[in-house]
Amino acid sequence: GQQLNQSPQSMFIQEGEDVSMNCTSSSIFNTWLWYKQDPGEGPVLLIALYKAGELTSNGRLTAQFGITRKDSFLNISASIPSDVGIYFCAGPTTSGTYKYIFGTGTRLKVLA
Amino acid sequence: GAGVSQSPSNKVTEKGKDVELRCDPISGHTALYWYRQSLGQGLEFLIYFQGNSAPDKSGLPSDRFSAERTGGSVSTLTIQRTQQEDSAVYLCASSSGLAGEQYFGPGTRLTVT
Repeated sequence: GQQLNQSPQSMFIQEGEDVSMNCTSSSIFNTWLWYKQDPGEGPVLLIALYKAGELTSNGRLTAQFGITRKDSFLNISASIPSDVGIYFCAGPTTSGTYKYIFGTGTRLKVLA
Repeated sequence: GAGVSQSPSNKVTEKGKDVELRCDPISGHTALYWYRQSLGQGLEFLIYFQGNSAPDKSGLPSDRFSAERTGGSVSTLTIQRTQQEDSAVYLCASSSGLAGEQYFGPGTRLTVT
């Protein structure tokens, strides 16, 4: 079945550094969503991508919809301590545009 | 504005007992989802409601799990005869359309002892 693989699984970075993470699949996706989950909270939508090659920013976050439609990237510039959390990618399954699958997440820890 | 709310926030129950988890979606959102998140894992789709259409129950792991949505708003996820492997965070999300932009509640952490 469809799967979303995220890498890295976890990362420690220094405050102020830039962060890059990606999400890949063997299947084509028509939409990519990026979420962040803080401890004890539900995921919060960061960026939504709907077109191959699309590059979208939200503050210090930038995400890109890979041209092959099988991957997406999320970059965080000048990281700050509140960036800590788990970042998930998600995309619609082939069985229906409303049913989404989620990656296993990238755990980000920022060292002050 | 009010977001998605879930209750209870935490639930500890004994193996074999039934539990009910509640979700109040964002007002006006026609779509409602339930997910399960085990420790350190991603989100596992359970069930989807859209308006008055029949729900998509394809993600429910067993017949011990059921869900309903009354009046197109509040939803209840019921787990009968709970097992230890049911321990997880149960997340509810709602959406206003087909774009897939789901808004999540804080989740209910279920612990089965």
